[in-house]
Amino acid sequence: DQQVKQNSPSLSVQEGRISILNCDYTNSMFDYFLWYKKYPAEGPTFLISISSIKDKNEDGRFTVFLNKSAKHLSLHIVPSQPGDSAVYFCAASGEGTGNQFYFGTGTSLTVIP
Amino acid sequence: DAGITQSPRHKVTETGTPVTLRCHQTENHRYMYWYRQDPGHGLRLIHYSYGVKDTDKGEVSDGYSVSRSKTEDFLLTLESATSSQTSVYFCAISQGNFYGYTFGSGTRLTVV
Repeated sequence: DQQVKQNSPSLSVQEGRISILNCDYTNSMFDYFLWYKKYPAEGPTFLISISSIKDKNEDGRFTVFLNKSAKHLSLHIVPSQPGDSAVYFCAASGEGTGNQFYFGTGTSLTVIP
Repeated sequence: DAGITQSPRHKVTETGTPVTLRCHQTENHRYMYWYRQDPGHGLRLIHYSYGVKDTDKGEVSDGYSVSRSKTEDFLLTLESATSSQTSVYFCAISQGNFYGYTFGSGTRLTVV
């Protein structure tokens, strides 16, 4: 059973516009949420995170929003750049997960110049 | 930047042969993980370790075993490779809840 879900396998956005990537989770015990970025032939790299005590975390062009009641988080990239083209994974962990993160299936973002 | 390396980077093997993938870290992290990445499935945990000789199964552990005899090395073995184990394998170390994992560059394994 997939505890973390990314329902959009792909997303295309024009350069300079906003990219919004979505993620849903089912386990109410999750309290840390992360986004990773992955380029082809490389390992995923940490992008940004948020804990359940917050509803927003911002780092430059990247902002993560958390809606605990809806069990939903989103990553906003503003403005989008061609170098942002990659696969983005969301991940979650929490009490009882044994220091383990559960990952979504990924969303492939293409930023069109 | 956490030092984590995987070897080999690419491997082609025949069905039924044993295969061992190696993960090496240089920063004395306690927790290490093996994931596989497949289209439509994202990253799925195979096994993890929480110390020397301390390991546990993940969600897709069937057909895999691991060993950790030293803090720095975490080995993943496919006892008898099958075509369903064709995948990209990632090793990771934990940087805590807020920073998650640091991943290696991956091993692309093809079982023919």
